[in-house]
Amino acid sequence: NAGVTQTPKFRVLKTGQSMTLLCAQDMNHEYMYWYRQDPGMGLRLIHYSVGEGTTAKGEVPDGYNVSRLKKQNFLLGLESAAPSQTSVYFCASSYIGSTYYNEQFFGPGTRLTVL
Amino acid sequence: AQSVTQLGSHVSVSEGALVLLRCNYSSSVPPYLFWYVQYPNQGLQLLLKYTTGATLVKGINGFEAEFKKSETSFHLTKPSAHMSDAAEYFCAVRGADTDKLIFGTGTRLQVFP
Repeated sequence: NAGVTQTPKFRVLKTGQSMTLLCAQDMNHEYMYWYRQDPGMGLRLIHYSVGEGTTAKGEVPDGYNVSRLKKQNFLLGLESAAPSQTSVYFCASSYIGSTYYNEQFFGPGTRLTVL
Repeated sequence: AQSVTQLGSHVSVSEGALVLLRCNYSSSVPPYLFWYVQYPNQGLQLLLKYTTGATLVKGINGFEAEFKKSETSFHLTKPSAHMSDAAEYFCAVRGADTDKLIFGTGTRLQVFP
């Protein structure tokens, strides 16, 4: 099992450019999440999905869009990148079971710089 | 609303010394609590979790944490620090909205020889 993978690992954008970050998981998890990590602020939830075809806003959704067309994939889009979106982005997934604790499994991260 | 507070954004210890990383939580429901570790340039990895039952929870790499309801705490400890323990540690609580985890701001652990 590869677990949770993220593509790309690094990216540099110019202000106003767009891009899509891809998250894939092979654990058949129902829930998937996108976080951003900034120094001193911990992890902040951007958007999440509780199943194929469904998405919901998290704590900091502005400037981002997401799609979950397939259960195993969760895409994060930046339509018009801004320097404030310079961050490390993490994808995570979790399973639903009879004992649901929401233990999340994380990908390795994507480091994005917006100039 | 659920929240976690991690006291101390940086903790430094000598190799072989006790590691104590503090986490206090606020929860309106019985909490599910987690400690994650993030090594440099990597994602987060689960160290341990408290759900129900025994209040002393053992995790990987010799870490353990004790759930103390009266103190609303879930501090992480390790008796003897190793250089490889240098990392950032995050405490998290499952929210009342059970779809989400609420993370603390993290504590960076430095280990000196």
